[in-house]
Amino acid sequence: LAKTTQPISMDSYEGQEVNITCSHNNIATNDYITWYQQFPSQGPRFIIQGYKTKVTNEVASLFIPADRKSSTLSLPRVSLSDTAVYYCLANAGNMLTFGGGTRLMVKP
Amino acid sequence: DAGVTQSPTHLIKTRGQQVTLRCSPKSGHDTVSWYQQALGQGPQFIFQYYEEEERQRGNFPDRFSGHQFPNYSSELNVNALLLGDSALYLCASSLTDRGRTEKLFFGSGTQLSVL
Repeated sequence: LAKTTQPISMDSYEGQEVNITCSHNNIATNDYITWYQQFPSQGPRFIIQGYKTKVTNEVASLFIPADRKSSTLSLPRVSLSDTAVYYCLANAGNMLTFGGGTRLMVKP
Repeated sequence: DAGVTQSPTHLIKTRGQQVTLRCSPKSGHDTVSWYQQALGQGPQFIFQYYEEEERQRGNFPDRFSGHQFPNYSSELNVNALLLGDSALYLCASSLTDRGRTEKLFFGSGTQLSVL
């Protein structure tokens, strides 16, 4: 059974780097792995997407090993406004499957 | 350029009733996905529509059905509502490129309450 799993919660302090890892078995070999951010009462917002190795944009980096059984979202120098729930999304078992979400709390 | 729009934003129904939720995708997008998000949970995939056909489906009963129109907008229908159907229903649009799903853009959702 395809499944994506993430840590339930993480705490950090302003200015630190945060790494959130998602495990995803049985994902499609030709589809992307994507990470989203969600604030209360809003739809998820796209952060970053990759297929393999490393991808970097203006807000985050995404590391995907060769076996694609996991991915790690890296947020450099987090701020209070990064407090949110972070989800990974993968095409697993021919379904677009979200992880359970990681609730990140950034403290001053 | 409008993003993904969903209507209505809130809805209250009673058990056994039927509901239709609507979604207009972001301009230029051809694929629409629907998700159910219960309070405190991650979004659960219901189904995805592409070229007016259901392309993928999650583990939801047949009470959940959908449709995509030629202009790429979509509807989600839920029959015989149960209390457990109370949730935030999210629509996401995207482009399908060579069979791969490009990044999803989400609407703000429809909050459905079943009494």
